[in-house]
Amino acid sequence: RKEVEQDPGPFNVPEGATVAFNCTYSNSASQSFFWYRQDCRKEPKLLMSVYSSGNEDGRFTAQLNRASQYISLLIRDSKLSDSATYLCVVTGPRSGSARQLTFGSGTQLTVLP
Amino acid sequence: DTGVSQNPRHKITKRGQNVTFRCDPISEHNRLYWYRQTLGQGPEFLTYFQNEAQLEKSRLLSDRFSAERPKGSFSTLEIQRTEQGDSAMYLCASSLEGTSVYEQYFGPGTRLTVT
Repeated sequence: RKEVEQDPGPFNVPEGATVAFNCTYSNSASQSFFWYRQDCRKEPKLLMSVYSSGNEDGRFTAQLNRASQYISLLIRDSKLSDSATYLCVVTGPRSGSARQLTFGSGTQLTVLP
Repeated sequence: DTGVSQNPRHKITKRGQNVTFRCDPISEHNRLYWYRQTLGQGPEFLTYFQNEAQLEKSRLLSDRFSAERPKGSFSTLEIQRTEQGDSAMYLCASSLEGTSVYEQYFGPGTRLTVT
């Protein structure tokens, strides 16, 4: 079983739609959680961190459920420029591999005009 | 440009040859990471340096792979006796001690094709 699992998609949605991505992780001792965005043939870039209380950044909302080991990302009013692969990322427990990022395989989103 | 830079951007080599990639991190960043990414997958951690010390190595880093950061600035990743399975994007990232671990800034990567 992979440490971080995501639905690979692709998700094809019209402009203005709301889309949600989910992610599960296997290590209950994982310490920190993030969403990265990767455009085609480009490097990954941090989109936002994910906190248990939930956090929002403009049209993007991220949530973490530690009990279910589940992370989500909601994109509202999607734009053409949101088309990318969204990578769910966790870090290890504090006493272990806390500095390496463990990535999911990514969920591909295409926003259609 | 003060971001992470990697050279070369593309490398095509024949099976069995040795290749070396270079990463120049953001100035003053003392942490440097190497990841490998294959098509349709997320990046996978290979190794991590703090200054010149290599502190973590993934089991993915076989004996044919070696990474160095001799002066605590740039780093090199060498693959000896390349195999077709080594074909991938090799990504370098850097961060600054004292900041959160997730603030890793990635370079554009070196795409390796082994024929």
